[in-house]
Amino acid sequence: SQQGEEDPQALSIQEGENATMNCSYKTSINNLQWYRQNSGRGLVHLILIRSNEREKHSGRLRVTLDTSKKSSSLLITASRAADTASYFCATDAGSGYSTLTFGKGTMLLVSP
Amino acid sequence: DTEVTQTPKHLVMGMTNKKSLKCEQHMGHRAMYWYKQKAKKPPELMFVYSYEKLSINESVPSRFSPECPNSSLLNLHLHALQPEDSALYLCASTPPHNEQFFGPGTRLTVL
Repeated sequence: SQQGEEDPQALSIQEGENATMNCSYKTSINNLQWYRQNSGRGLVHLILIRSNEREKHSGRLRVTLDTSKKSSSLLITASRAADTASYFCATDAGSGYSTLTFGKGTMLLVSP
Repeated sequence: DTEVTQTPKHLVMGMTNKKSLKCEQHMGHRAMYWYKQKAKKPPELMFVYSYEKLSINESVPSRFSPECPNSSLLNLHLHALQPEDSALYLCASTPPHNEQFFGPGTRLTVL
């Protein structure tokens, strides 16, 4: 079953603008991860944020986590056409090896 | 070697065929996964192997049969599939408490 709900479902912006995607979930988590998928191919891991962390950065990516609200956001700054993809959040509630539950995803279109 | 490979990239099969999907990783990860992804939907977990033993089966029909011959290899045997089983099948592996590494997937079409 899917735990995460992401919004917006689709986002269209111009190059250079920032893109923000939100994810909400329902149960307690060990960590939350964000993945990118281009054109129905394999998923690429972007960033992992643990339940005791509030914010994490990686290059042009910034992820926040609010466990009290059970929500996370992914910010992509200074977007590029190459950022066009589907973005999924995934929650890991397991205590051993990860078992991910994916959100429905946000389709991001960055126009030149 | 920091990647997960999957073969074949594309597979077309009839409903009476038997075929197999293959997944390989040489990162020493002891957990490996099969996911199914329909168009415009998120991946759905099918099976989890931990130390070559099946630890999670998400109520997947028996026409899908996973196998983990060794710590680097994961197979998914397919038999008597239905057209609605057409999807992208993704394999992943992971070290403990960390991100999953996904393969590029096999695009399966069942006629």
